[in-house]
Amino acid sequence: NAGVTQTPKFQVLKTGQSMTLQCAQDMNHNSMYWYRQDPGMGLRLIYYSASEGTTDKGEVPNGYNVSRLNKREFSLRLESAAPSQTSVYFCASSEAGQAYNSPLHFGNGTRLTVT
Amino acid sequence: GENVEQHPSTLSVQEGDSAVIKCTYSDSASNYFPWYKQELGKGPQLIIDIRSNVGEKKDQRIAVTLNKTAKHFSLHITETQPEDSAVYFCAASIDQGAQKLVFGQGTRLTINP
Repeated sequence: NAGVTQTPKFQVLKTGQSMTLQCAQDMNHNSMYWYRQDPGMGLRLIYYSASEGTTDKGEVPNGYNVSRLNKREFSLRLESAAPSQTSVYFCASSEAGQAYNSPLHFGNGTRLTVT
Repeated sequence: GENVEQHPSTLSVQEGDSAVIKCTYSDSASNYFPWYKQELGKGPQLIIDIRSNVGEKKDQRIAVTLNKTAKHFSLHITETQPEDSAVYFCAASIDQGAQKLVFGQGTRLTINP
């Protein structure tokens, strides 16, 4: 039972390049999330998917797109990377019941540097 | 939208002493308040959470208190151990469906032997 798996672990991009961050969970969770972590700013929600087939914007969606490929996989795409997108990106999942929140389970992150 | 402020940003305590981290939130509709611990090179992991229908919750050496009137909540760690050294995040959200957590800025806790 691997939990939440993110690939790649590290990536360096030049300004204007594109890339896709991959995330997969094996806990049969309904909801999946992408956060970015920057020093002194905690974690900020980029996009989330409440259930398979739906996606919604979080706090900081500009410059990103997402795809909920199936129940297990949720990818984050940077179409034209900018230095401001240098960050550590975390994928998470949760069971997300109807009434009560369930804990978020995080992957180990992707460290992205844009030069 | 919700805004969560967390203090202090760094905290250093002697092994065996207690540590307290405080958070305030702005949206009175928030009713779910988890705390996450992040070790170096890892993703955050839930250590305790509290909902607004209770004022305090304990789990061994860890406790969380909530004051809804003042809109603040705190994490208390007693009898600290070296393995408690990590970054701790508080968060807040409205308890419904997908969990759109708003995180505090984080506290780097160092336990000195």
